[in-house]
Formats: sequence, structure tokens, C-alpha cells
Amino acid sequence: GNSVTQMEGPVTLSEEAFLTINCTYTATGYPSLFWYVQYPGEGLQLLLKATKADDKGSNKGFEATYRKETTSFHLEKGSVQVSDSAVYFCALTPTGANNLFFGTGTRLTVIP
Amino acid sequence: EADIYQTPRYLVIGTGKKITLECSQTMGHDKMYWYQQDPGMELHLIHYSYGVNSTEKGDLSSESTVSRIRTEHFPLTLESARPSHTSQYLCASSGTGRGTEAFFGQGTRLTVV
Repeated sequence: GNSVTQMEGPVTLSEEAFLTINCTYTATGYPSLFWYVQYPGEGLQLLLKATKADDKGSNKGFEATYRKETTSFHLEKGSVQVSDSAVYFCALTPTGANNLFFGTGTRLTVIP
Repeated sequence: EADIYQTPRYLVIGTGKKITLECSQTMGHDKMYWYQQDPGMELHLIHYSYGVNSTEKGDLSSESTVSRIRTEHFPLTLESARPSHTSQYLCASSGTGRGTEAFFGQGTRLTVV
């Protein structure tokens, strides 16, 4: 079946620290992979995506690389800001489908 | 900017009342979804639709029902609200094609007292 396993949180970092949130997946074929972000009191919004192996998605200083050999899509940012405090969701859509399968979410808090 | 709207944003209602959560999108998307988000943040798909007059139940069993009479509109109804229905409800829509992202509304936070 299709599933996403995401690093448990919460994660608390100081401003300018390096961030990694691990995400691994199980899927047949070649799924599309996504990171969504949910700011307090809001819905989810797309942060970045990748649709094939070795693609790197990037946005707002965040990056994630589609690694088929390790079935991973880890989210990284070199220097976090207080404004990055949010919940981050890893997700996939299987080949030929549009249903999103989400990880459990990781809450990030960045302190000044 | 995502053009998908949910109303109301917040709702407090008594047990046994009938409620409808509204969701509309102006992007012409065929696919629409309802998710329930528990306090632990996890998202559970409760309903989806692939087009007009098409509705399916999601992975999480829900006592709610949905309808899709128009492409842009995907309301969710609870015939008799209970405290166990207290949750955040998120509506989303997406186009077709590989790698197409989903757009989410801001959510409705429902409290049943």
C-alpha cells in the first residue's frame, strides 16, 4: 500500500540553526512527493514538490531531494527563522492517482 | 493565492443540531476532498469527489455526508452533531496530471457542546 512515515516531533530549534525533518515513503511505481506547511490557524499550503527520482524541490530556503533508492524525501533548511514555526507535512500521490497520503506532521518551533 | 474558501471559520453548536460546512473553489478543479484534522495534527481523509455527482468515502469512517451538484461546491453535512464531531475540517481541491498539488481552504474549527 501507500504510506508516509515522518519524523516525530515536536522539534525546537534556535534561530539560524540547521533543520532536517525526515520523511520516508512506501509506494508502488513512481509517486509524486510533496512537503506542505500549516501555519497556526491556517490550512495547508504547498511548500515544495518533486515528481521524479533525483529531482530537488526548493522554496523559501527549504529543499528536499527525491531519493528513490532510499525511498526518502527529507526536508532541509540551512538557517531557520522564527517565522518558519509551523507544522510540516510530507505527502505523496501514487502513480496515476491524485489522492494525497500524508505523514503525521512535525511541529517546528523556532525560538529567537 | 489559493482560490478555495471555507465557511464558517469557527462554529460552536449544540448536540443534535444539523450543520453544513461550506467549501467552494474557483479554479475549476474536478477533484475535491474533505479532511478531518485531530488535535494531534494528523489528517484523515473522510470524503472525496472526482467530479459532479461523484462522491466517495475516505479512509476514516465519518457520520458526515457530502454532495457535489456543482463543480465548484462541495458541502459537508452532519445531520445530528455530537461532541465526538469536534474537530478541524479542511477542504481541498486539485486538478489532474502528475504532480498536481492540492489547494487547501483555511479550515472550519467545529466545536459541539
